[in-house]
Amino acid sequence: AQSVTQPDIHITVSEGASLELRCNYSYGATPYLFWYVQSPGQGLQLLLKYFSGDTLVQGIKGFEAEFKRSQSSFNLRKPSVHWSDAAEYFCAVGGGTSYGKLTFGQGTILTVHP
Amino acid sequence: GAVVSQHPSWVICKSGTSVKIECRSLDFQATTMFWYRQFPKQSLMLMATSNEGSKATYEQGVEKDKFLINHASLTLSTLTVTSAHPEDSSFYICSARLGARPSQYFGPGTRLTVL
Repeated sequence: AQSVTQPDIHITVSEGASLELRCNYSYGATPYLFWYVQSPGQGLQLLLKYFSGDTLVQGIKGFEAEFKRSQSSFNLRKPSVHWSDAAEYFCAVGGGTSYGKLTFGQGTILTVHP
Repeated sequence: GAVVSQHPSWVICKSGTSVKIECRSLDFQATTMFWYRQFPKQSLMLMATSNEGSKATYEQGVEKDKFLINHASLTLSTLTVTSAHPEDSSFYICSARLGARPSQYFGPGTRLTVL
């Protein structure tokens, strides 16, 4: 069975500081990996995805993520956080079967201090 | 591109009534749509997978007679919460799959409150 672990429930950073959100997955084959962001009361917006190829993936809003197969990780990074980045972030894993079902992590809430 | 809409964005209903939520892919055709439920401060829980023209596949523990899903076209899926009760109050989110890979694009969600 596939699973996703986001070890950090809540992270607080200062505006302008760098950010790394951790994501570890368990999947029996080559995974498809995703990061989504959710603002309060809103749906999820896709930040970036990894299917194959270059293990460093660039996304929207200045985010990037690196796929490390040996560590079963797909951590999300941003070099300089903006106050508007405050939201909840979800990592997800999926595969080529089951109509593309995704399994989500528990989410990490990001708070940005001015 | 890849915009998904939901209607209504919020609804309040009395206990015992039924509520229908629509999910539409506005600029693409989605062979597969998904319905999720999200409790406050929790992650998304997949309720069912909906394929156009066939019966929905429900996750374990989800009552299919209570949460009726219809996927009538490649751009529209509906979730009907039948005989709603206060414990059905939640945030319901749909998503639509784009292409052969499991990329899902999410709607803005529907807040259901059952009094």
